[in-house]
Amino acid sequence: KNEVEQSPQNLTAQEGEFITINCSYSVGISALHWLQQHPGGGIVSLFMLSSGKKKHGRLIATINIQEKHSSLHITASHPRDSAVYICAGHNFGNEKLTFGTGTRLTIIP
Amino acid sequence: DTAVSQTPKYLVTQMGNDKSIKCEQNLGHDTMYWYKQDSKKFLKIMFSYNNKELIINETVPNRFSPKSPDKAHLNLHINSLELGDSAVYFCASSQNGASSPLHFGNGTRLTVT
Repeated sequence: KNEVEQSPQNLTAQEGEFITINCSYSVGISALHWLQQHPGGGIVSLFMLSSGKKKHGRLIATINIQEKHSSLHITASHPRDSAVYICAGHNFGNEKLTFGTGTRLTIIP
Repeated sequence: DTAVSQTPKYLVTQMGNDKSIKCEQNLGHDTMYWYKQDSKKFLKIMFSYNNKELIINETVPNRFSPKSPDKAHLNLHINSLELGDSAVYFCASSQNGASSPLHFGNGTRLTVT
């Protein structure tokens, strides 16, 4: 079992829908990263958070340290949001990131 | 201006060859990384350098050797390439370790035939 689990693995939704991607981790972490990988392959850092909530445009990331859970939300989803979304935990005490297996999101026009 | 650039973008080579992938960042970051992404899109850390010093060396075959001539560069040399080395390799940097946002290069798709 991976130390960082994401759900769902695949998600297809209609344009305009509210999207939620979940990330649960079993190790102690000091920060959690959300990354976006487009079909072209490039990886972009969306958020890094260690508590509470962050918002950037239509994207919102939340984290609950006690429950070891983070969510990424996309409001008013658009086909250009189609990508693989990856969460990664920064482990306590070292510089390692442990990655989730990714969620492939497809937004249909 | 490209923040993290890696070359080449594609690399096709035969088993047994030695090859290098170069990475440069112009962000002034202290930490650089090499990640491997397998066919299932799973990312895994290979190496991490902070100010030219190796701080993470995951369970990677000795055939892989990182070299950091200065803190803006982290190159990856691979000797005696094997079929299983085929993957996409990403270079990344951060201001100061994994508690800072990561900036990724565009990846190098290595195919070993």
